[in-house]
Amino acid sequence: AQSVTQLGSHVSVSEGALVLLRCNYSSSVPPYLFWYVQYPNQGLQLLLKYTTGATLVKGINGFEAEFKKSETSFHLTKPSAHMSDAAEYFCAVSDYYGGATNKLIFGTGTLLAVQP
Amino acid sequence: GAVVSQHPSWVICKSGTSVKIECRSLDFQATTMFWYRQFPKQSLMLMATSNEGSKATYEQGVEKDKFLINHASLTLSTLTVTSAHPEDSSFYICSARDLGTGPWELFFGSGTQLSVL
Repeated sequence: AQSVTQLGSHVSVSEGALVLLRCNYSSSVPPYLFWYVQYPNQGLQLLLKYTTGATLVKGINGFEAEFKKSETSFHLTKPSAHMSDAAEYFCAVSDYYGGATNKLIFGTGTLLAVQP
Repeated sequence: GAVVSQHPSWVICKSGTSVKIECRSLDFQATTMFWYRQFPKQSLMLMATSNEGSKATYEQGVEKDKFLINHASLTLSTLTVTSAHPEDSSFYICSARDLGTGPWELFFGSGTQLSVL
């Protein structure tokens, strides 16, 4: 079974500081990995995804994540935080054998606060 | 990207009544849609996989008779919470894949906040 662990349910950074949100996964097959962002009372928006190929993935809003198989990690980073980055971030995993019915398993989420 | 429309965004109902939530794929066909439930400050828990033209597949612990799912067309899936009780109050989110953009990208509706009095 696949699972995702997000370390730190709350992360607070100053505006302009580095953002680092941690995600570790467990999967018996090569995983597809995702980061989603959720603003209050809204659905989820895809930030970035890793499927195959380059392990450093760039997404929207200046975010990027690196797939490290040896560490089973997919941490999300952004060099300089902006006030508008304050939101809930979810890491998710799906198995490699893609298809319409593939399930997405989410981590417990990390609430990012950005201080002025 | 693909758009998934979910309606209503917010509903309040009395205990014992039923509530229907609609999920539509606006610019693509979705043979499969997923229904998630999210409690305050918690993650999304997959409730069921909705399959067009066939029965939904429910996750362990989800009552299929309480959460009725109908996927009658390639663009519409509905979730009906039957005989709702206060413990059913939650944020429900649907999602679907647009296979035209790849099997791995999941698009989400904006969610429905259900409050049962």
